[in-house]
Amino acid sequence: DTGVSQDPRHKITKRGQNVTFRCDPISEHNRLYWYRQTLGQGPEFLTYFQNEAQLEKSRLLSDRFSAERPKGSFSTLEIQRTEQGDSAMYLCASSLAGRPNYEQYFGPGTRLTVT
Amino acid sequence: DQQVKQNSPSLSVQEGRISILNCDYTNSMFDYFLWYKKYPAEGPTFLISISSIKDKNEDGRFTVFLNKSAKHLSLHIVPSQPGDSAVYFCAASAGQGGSEKLVFGKGMKLTVNP
Repeated sequence: DTGVSQDPRHKITKRGQNVTFRCDPISEHNRLYWYRQTLGQGPEFLTYFQNEAQLEKSRLLSDRFSAERPKGSFSTLEIQRTEQGDSAMYLCASSLAGRPNYEQYFGPGTRLTVT
Repeated sequence: DQQVKQNSPSLSVQEGRISILNCDYTNSMFDYFLWYKKYPAEGPTFLISISSIKDKNEDGRFTVFLNKSAKHLSLHIVPSQPGDSAVYFCAASAGQGGSEKLVFGKGMKLTVNP
């Protein structure tokens, strides 16, 4: 399977704990995105990388959130001191820069539940 | 402020008939539009896209129409099949304006009845 993969698929944590999610993009894709989706809403952009450089961050990304893509391949999204409002599906997507279109390919997501 | 709006939360059609899904947007900087399909417990799957320099793009049973003056696009599925039952998201990008992010609508649940 050469699609976008995410790990874990599900995470239950207690309020105040830190969590980290991993995303492995399609191998030849140099752009990687993180989105968050809550019930009844479409995905909301959080941040994106081109290779290892983080090029854009949403105001939704508070200082408790940090994302890295150290070698321009996989990425991690860490949430510190989780709050119940962080409960959501966290989606990763990748794309290839330079294409004339902007198609992003999504992984299956990590569902976070904060109790 | 919802920049991409899918005002109908659901649509039910009979197998073999046409499904028409609508989407409106407010940001005139959007220059690329996409439709995604999402099944439960899966990530969104890319379906079809259209550049703002076109008014129609067709791929098999799926056609997207863009009306820039009305800031409106629609997805037509003909003929509809039960496997098309899913949540459909409209998304837009202002890539030429320097932002690569996709802005999504809230989605619409399509049910195709056998």
